[in-house]
Amino acid sequence: GAVVSQHPSRVICKSGTSVKIECRSLDFQATTMFWYRQFPKQSLMLMATSNEGSKATYEQGVEKDKFLINHASLTLSTLTVTSAHPEDSSFYICSARDWKASGGKGQETQYFGPGTRLLVL
Amino acid sequence: DAKTTQPPSMDCAEGRAANLPCNHSTISGNEYVYWYRQIHSQGPQYIIHGLKNNETNEMASLIITEDRKSSTLILPHATLRDTAVYYCIVRVPTDSWGKLQFGAGTQVVVTP
Repeated sequence: GAVVSQHPSRVICKSGTSVKIECRSLDFQATTMFWYRQFPKQSLMLMATSNEGSKATYEQGVEKDKFLINHASLTLSTLTVTSAHPEDSSFYICSARDWKASGGKGQETQYFGPGTRLLVL
Repeated sequence: DAKTTQPPSMDCAEGRAANLPCNHSTISGNEYVYWYRQIHSQGPQYIIHGLKNNETNEMASLIITEDRKSSTLILPHATLRDTAVYYCIVRVPTDSWGKLQFGAGTQVVVTP
């Protein structure tokens, strides 16, 4: 399957600082990427949809000014957690949508990054 | 997207087949069944998906009932590395720009 990378894999920061997380599709182009957050012992929660060249679409309850998303190229999306607080500590995971036309129909698969563990002190 | 119901947990012996059920009684005609799994502290991994025919790949088989109201993911020879949370998701691939909504999934523990 295709590969999606995330950087950094883990980060510790002080409260009030900003943290940028990168998500890259390494062997395919992704016009759409997604950002998820996962707290301990819980399932993944979709935060936002990132579309190349346009503004991200945020899920209800997710603050767009706090979680800045940029999708400047077909292989890179970034999530910046601004003015991070301890309650933002979580496992952040991105996915990239690989869409292929096949026999007149589309075949879609999403590939996930390995995740970034954020700890805000 | 249609809601799915999965058992919260199941155990499986190493080397045996693991059969993971998923109920999706409200699935609509154009919704596919997707399976992903998440090994602890890693990102989810795509396993397989299907519409109505049974599907098989190098990882697993997907059996969908004729009425499409339920499906079973089969791991033919479970190994310790298959211990993970398995998620069954039903959705139309082109809807909502491909958003995946994860439920609680099934925690599968493969024991020696």
